[in-house]
Amino acid sequence: QQQVKQSPQSLIVQKGGISIINCAYENTAFDYFPWYQQFPGKGPALLIAIRPDVSEKKEGRFTISFNKSAKQFSLHIMDSQPGDSATYFCAASNRNTPLVFGKGTRLSVIA
Amino acid sequence: EAQVTQNPRYLITVTGKKLTVTCSQNMNHEYMSWYRQDPGLGLRQIYYSMNVEVTDKGDVPEGYKVSRKEKRNFPLILESPSPNQTSLYFCASSLSEGERGNEQFFGPGTRLTVL
Repeated sequence: QQQVKQSPQSLIVQKGGISIINCAYENTAFDYFPWYQQFPGKGPALLIAIRPDVSEKKEGRFTISFNKSAKQFSLHIMDSQPGDSATYFCAASNRNTPLVFGKGTRLSVIA
Repeated sequence: EAQVTQNPRYLITVTGKKLTVTCSQNMNHEYMSWYRQDPGLGLRQIYYSMNVEVTDKGDVPEGYKVSRKEKRNFPLILESPSPNQTSLYFCASSLSEGERGNEQFFGPGTRLTVL
């Protein structure tokens, strides 16, 4: 049973455009929703995270939008740059459940 | 420098030859975990450890063993590797209270090929 469904699997965006990656979860007990960024040859690294008590969190060009009723959350990358090209993973957890990751989205930002 | 280290980074072996991938963290983290990453499947947890001498199965534990004798080390053991264990492996660690609200720090990965 896949607890976190991520889409799209791959994404190509023009430089300066907005990249949007979506995730849906099933377990309503999840209360922590991070996004991890992974560059080729590296381990994933935490990019930004949100808890369900807020509907949006912004850090620079990166924004998480959270919809508790729909059990969905998304990552928006504004003014996408070639340096943002990476694989992005959404994840979810709670105190009693280890992090469950989505399958990842490979983002390519082209000039 | 705070980090998670893994060794070896690359390994080619043959079916049935026991191997160990080491993982060490210098951040005094209680929680450690092993993942495998496969194309199209994302990151799947193999085993995790909440503290010394406390380990538990993740989503794909078959064919793997772990031990947590010291807080800083969490080795992954493949007693009899098979070709379906060819994968990219990551060790990760975080502060106490498991996953909740605590950033996981990942190692650089170990690319394993089993022939």
